[in-house]
Amino acid sequence: QQQVKQSPQSLIVQKGGIPIINCAYENTAFDYFPWYQQFPGKGPALLIAIRPDVSEKKEGRFTISFNKSAKQFSLHIMDSQPGDSATYFCAASNFNKFYFGSGTKLNVKP
Amino acid sequence: DTGVSQDPRHKITKRGQNVTFRCDPISEHNRLYWYRQTLGQGPEFLTYFQNEAQLEKSRLLSDRFSAERPKGSFSTLEIQRTEQGDSAMYLCASSLAGGVFGNTIYFGEGSWLTVV
Repeated sequence: QQQVKQSPQSLIVQKGGIPIINCAYENTAFDYFPWYQQFPGKGPALLIAIRPDVSEKKEGRFTISFNKSAKQFSLHIMDSQPGDSATYFCAASNFNKFYFGSGTKLNVKP
Repeated sequence: DTGVSQDPRHKITKRGQNVTFRCDPISEHNRLYWYRQTLGQGPEFLTYFQNEAQLEKSRLLSDRFSAERPKGSFSTLEIQRTEQGDSAMYLCASSLAGGVFGNTIYFGEGSWLTVV
């Protein structure tokens, strides 16, 4: 059973656009929700993370929106750049285990 | 370099052979995780250690897989009698339980395994 469901599978935007990636979870015990960015052949790198006691967190061009009642959270990338082209994974953590979404492959066209 | 280090980065082996991967976590991190990732999928949890104790193993970790973390420092993941289905990237991650950043985990670059 997939603990974290992520959509869309792939996304193409023009430079300057605002791609939005969505994730949903069921386990209300999750208490930490990070996003990771992964380039081909590399390990995932932590991008931004949020805890369920806040509804939004911004770091640079990256924003997480969190809806606790709907058990959903999303990543917004403002003013997207070709260098943002990568695969993005959401995750949810409960105690010591992290569950990852299936990933979204983002392509930002120049 | 203070990141998570994995070795080797790439390994091609014949079916039936044994392989071993090594992970050196961020120094002072007391938790160490192993994940497996296949193309187009997110990382899947395999096992984790708190210091030298292996606290949890996923059912994905068959009897052919064994992980150790002697003295709570580096860790090894051994796969015995490899099968083609073992082909994947094996990711190591570490974290500092109770640290300022809570339970944030940091990944290494991964070890790619191809079984032919």
